[in-house]
Amino acid sequence: DVKVTQSSRYLVKRTGEKVFLECVQDMDHENMFWYRQDPGLGLRLIYFSYDVKMKEKGDIPEGYSVSREKKERFSLILESASTNQTSMYLCASTSGSRSYEQYFGPGTRLTVT
Amino acid sequence: GDSVTQMEGPVTLSEEAFLTINCTYTATGYPSLFWYVQYPGEGLQLLLKATKADDKGSNKGFEATYRKETTSFHLEKGSVQVSDSAVYFCALTLNRDDKIIFGKGTRLHILP
Repeated sequence: DVKVTQSSRYLVKRTGEKVFLECVQDMDHENMFWYRQDPGLGLRLIYFSYDVKMKEKGDIPEGYSVSREKKERFSLILESASTNQTSMYLCASTSGSRSYEQYFGPGTRLTVT
Repeated sequence: GDSVTQMEGPVTLSEEAFLTINCTYTATGYPSLFWYVQYPGEGLQLLLKATKADDKGSNKGFEATYRKETTSFHLEKGSVQVSDSAVYFCALTLNRDDKIIFGKGTRLHILP
């Protein structure tokens, strides 16, 4: 089975801190995605990556950056956390062979105080 | 732009009731359509999919039929269980890349 893991289930950070959210997949998938999930807004795409060292902006990239140094790992970085970044963050991956099924991690609930 | 609209929740039903969650889409091309489910405390997982008009996706007793004429992909189940309580997301992809456009989700509560 495909497994997508995220480094933390719950995280509490202070305003202005630099925050790293890590995502690792074990199925040699080409494509990886970061979403945030908020009540009433559904899932919104932050960034995605089709290959190592490649990144593309999603719908709401402001305030975030990403890093993909290895194929299996995709990191989301909040350069200076703000309270409006309190949210559930979900990572996903796909094989890149147009299977279109995204495999999701369990999510990280981030609270910025 | 391309989008997915699904009925707002929460939807509350008694066990063994019939379920319908409506989903309609707007797309410039010929999308593939999906239903994803998110159980409490978990990430999303694919429930079912349909890749062309008139296809029916099915899984775990759930069904949805790709209706091009009405641009719809409604989710149905004949007899729901308490364990079906979750958030359900309708989604589409335009098959150009692996990006998926999600609806806002519908929370389903099933009462014993």
